[in-house]
Amino acid sequence: DVKVTQSSRYLVKRTGEKVFLECVQDMDHENMFWYRQDPGLGLRLIYFSYDVKMKEKGDIPEGYSVSREKKERFSLILESASTNQTSMYLCASSDPRGPGGANVLTFGAGSRLTVL
Amino acid sequence: EDQVTQSPEALRLQEGESSSLNCSYTVSGLRGLFWYRQDPGKGPEFLFTLYSAGEEKEKERLKATLTKKESFLHITAPKPEDSATYLCAQKTSYDKVIFGPGTSLSVIP
Repeated sequence: DVKVTQSSRYLVKRTGEKVFLECVQDMDHENMFWYRQDPGLGLRLIYFSYDVKMKEKGDIPEGYSVSREKKERFSLILESASTNQTSMYLCASSDPRGPGGANVLTFGAGSRLTVL
Repeated sequence: EDQVTQSPEALRLQEGESSSLNCSYTVSGLRGLFWYRQDPGKGPEFLFTLYSAGEEKEKERLKATLTKKESFLHITAPKPEDSATYLCAQKTSYDKVIFGPGTSLSVIP
């Protein structure tokens, strides 16, 4: 089974801190995504990447950046955390060559970030 | 603007009581309609993909259907282990996947 592992399940940070959320997938997937999930708003796409060193903005990229130095690892960075970035962050990957193609997302368990 | 809405927001069923969840989407080059299941404290898990009106997919007690404007997730004789949040998502012509807010289903023994 494809596994997407997010390094931290729960984090508590202070306003202004730099925050790194790490995501690793173990099945050689080309595509990786970062979403945030908030009650009543669903999942919203922050950034995505279709290849190493490549990144594209999603619907809500403001206040975030990403890094993809290796195919299996996609990091989300909050340069200066703010309270409105308190949320559940979900990483996902997909394989355009697999069953269902690039449409089927495999998610990690999520990282719940609280910014005080 | 592409948008996905789901109803009801929450649904409480008795074990064995069949029902349907609704997903409505704006059509702007629909390239797939997806259903995911999310258990508390976990990431969403893929259930179905539908591509064209009239298409149906089944898995155990779940059946997903698609019309030109909406999709339904029918749950037949649900069991308590079917309790979860069910998410609907749409892939647009711009290759983005847009998620709805989800329906929280509780099945009471």
